[in-house]
Amino acid sequence: GDSVTQTEGQVALSEEDFLTIHCNYSASGYPTLFWYVQYPGEGPQLLFRASRDKEKGSSRGFEATYDKGTTSFHLRKASVQESDSAVYYCALRSYGSSGNKLIFGIGTLLSVKP
Amino acid sequence: EAAVTQSPRNKVAVTGGKVTLSCNQTNNHNNMYWYRQDTGHGLRLIHYSYGAGSTEKGDIPDGYKASRPSQENFSLILELATPSQTSVYFCASGDAGQYAEQFFGPGTRLTVL
Repeated sequence: GDSVTQTEGQVALSEEDFLTIHCNYSASGYPTLFWYVQYPGEGPQLLFRASRDKEKGSSRGFEATYDKGTTSFHLRKASVQESDSAVYYCALRSYGSSGNKLIFGIGTLLSVKP
Repeated sequence: EAAVTQSPRNKVAVTGGKVTLSCNQTNNHNNMYWYRQDTGHGLRLIHYSYGAGSTEKGDIPDGYKASRPSQENFSLILELATPSQTSVYFCASGDAGQYAEQFFGPGTRLTVL
């Protein structure tokens, strides 16, 4: 079945550091890929999405590029801020998925020190 | 205004007791979902619904029932709560379509003693 792998469970950075959170997926065809962000005490919210090979999604200084060759959608930000501290989820939805379901990775807790 | 709301926000239950978690959405979405969130597992789908009167099993439905009496409301029911069901539960709503976003509620923290 479809799956999403996030290799970093936790990432600890200082302000202005460069961020990479790795996301690899397994699915047939061209799934739509998503990044969601969850701030403390809130539900997840969409950061951005992409649905075609080489498409770049971006929002709030974060970006990721859909790479079908390496089945990846890695999240990057050039200079993190303390306010970016949150849990980040990579997710996918395949074409025609039953119930329009999203498949989520395990999430990555980002902690940014001032 | 929040489009997906959940109640209660916190709940403590006893083992063997019945628990009902409620969700309301004002997005007029056909699809609604119940997830649980656990460290090391991320978000896992329990039940979902295509519309009023419909409920479908997700990936981890054992021990849970769902009810969708109307377009706006979707409940998750634990008939006999167990400590393993201690978790944070999220409700979400969304349109059909591969590109569609899901909108999440603020979550309910459930502790089963």
